[in-house]
Amino acid sequence: KNEVEQSPQNLTAQEGEFITINCSYSVGISALHWLQQHPGGGIVSLFMLSSGKKKHGRLIATINIQEKHSSLHITASHPRDSAVYICAALFQGAQKLVFGQGTRLTINP
Amino acid sequence: SQTIHQWPATLVQPVGSPLSLECTVEGTSNPNLYWYRQAAGRGLQLLFYSVGIGQISSEVPQNLSASRPQDRQFILSSKKLLLSDSGFYLCAYERNTEAFFGQGTRLTVV
Repeated sequence: KNEVEQSPQNLTAQEGEFITINCSYSVGISALHWLQQHPGGGIVSLFMLSSGKKKHGRLIATINIQEKHSSLHITASHPRDSAVYICAALFQGAQKLVFGQGTRLTINP
Repeated sequence: SQTIHQWPATLVQPVGSPLSLECTVEGTSNPNLYWYRQAAGRGLQLLFYSVGIGQISSEVPQNLSASRPQDRQFILSSKKLLLSDSGFYLCAYERNTEAFFGQGTRLTVV
């Protein structure tokens, strides 16, 4: 079954803290996406990974294909980083794009 | 450039009325297309996906249906809306592992 699990579901931290959000998936994938969803519902694409690591500003995404696991890291977190972060896996074969349940991140000043 | 259009942005419909949400894609061909629903406080659940014209896979049996009459058009429909159909509906497409997302439709069934 094509499943995506994220943890934690909710995360509250103080400004400046290092943030890690985890994503695990059940079977082989073609790619994994990290997305940001704002209160209005709009989705912003952050990263697309098929291997290794990507960095954009204070955001870092890594993926371990053997362990079927990906992480999103935020360095020097800021209140404006508060949002729901979602991983989505593109499963091989059926080409299904399945979302994790999301992680609601709140950064307090 | 690759873009995806989804409309309307918000919709209020009475129980028992029909629904039609449309999603169109520009700048690509033969994309994989997806419809998702997000209930209040929940994650995005895959409803339907399509790998080609007329090819629809349903993930969750329910009151909704989907159609793909053209390569870059994906329609979500219902003949009679239920209160439980309220939520945020998102269209997406994938092509060569890149994914793009519509702005979403917030549907309230009253």
